[in-house]
Amino acid sequence: GENVEQHPSTLSVQEGDSAVIKCTYSDSASNYFPWYKQELGKGPQLIIDIRSNVGEKKDQRIAVTLNKTAKHFSLHITETQPEDSAVYFCAANRRGKLIFGQGTELSVKP
Amino acid sequence: GAVVSQHPSWVICKSGTSVKIECRSLDFQATTMFWYRQFPKQSLMLMATSNEGSKATYEQGVEKDKFLINHASLTLSTLTVTSAHPEDSSFYICSASAQGSPLHFGNGTRLTVT
Repeated sequence: GENVEQHPSTLSVQEGDSAVIKCTYSDSASNYFPWYKQELGKGPQLIIDIRSNVGEKKDQRIAVTLNKTAKHFSLHITETQPEDSAVYFCAANRRGKLIFGQGTELSVKP
Repeated sequence: GAVVSQHPSWVICKSGTSVKIECRSLDFQATTMFWYRQFPKQSLMLMATSNEGSKATYEQGVEKDKFLINHASLTLSTLTVTSAHPEDSSFYICSASAQGSPLHFGNGTRLTVT
C-alpha cells in the first residue's frame, strides 16, 4: 500500500520568511497530491493540489512542486503570516483513497 | 462551493451507548464519502470508504460491526459508533467528493465516551 512520509514535524519561522514542507510517497501509481491546512478543532481545508502530469503549481503565496522520479513533493509558503500558523498535511491519492502524511505544525512568529 | 457539513460538532456519551454522526454534502452530489479518525496530535487515519447505495469498504483493523456506515443518498452518509467505549473517544472527520473532484472535509465531530 501507499506510505507517505512528511517532514519536518514542527516548523517555526519568522513572519515574512518562507516555509517549506516536504513529503515522499512510496507508490509510483499515486497520481494526485493535495495539501491540507488544519486549524485546531477543525477539519482539514484543501489549500492546493497537484496532479502527476504537472511539475509545479502556484496559487498566490503557496506553491507545490512534484518530482515523480524521486517520488517526493513539497509545499512552499512565501511571505508567511501569523494566520498561516496551523498543522499542514500532505496526502497521496491512489485508487481513490487519500493517504496522509504525519503532519507539520507550522508556527509563524510575528 | 464544495461544502461538507458534519453534525454534531461534539458529543459526549456514556460507555455502552451508540452515537450517530452525520455527514452531508451541501452543494454537490458525493459519489464517494470517506470516514477518518484522528487522535490528538496525530494524522488522519482512513476508517472506511462508502459509495452511495452499496456497502462500505473498511480499512484493515477497523471493526465494521462497531463502526456502522450508511450512505443512503448522494448527499448523506452516517457513521454510528456502536457500544462506544472510552478508547473510541477521538475526532471523527468525514470527507466527500464528486467524481473527479478534490476531496473536501467536514469540520469533524469530537466524540468523548465517559
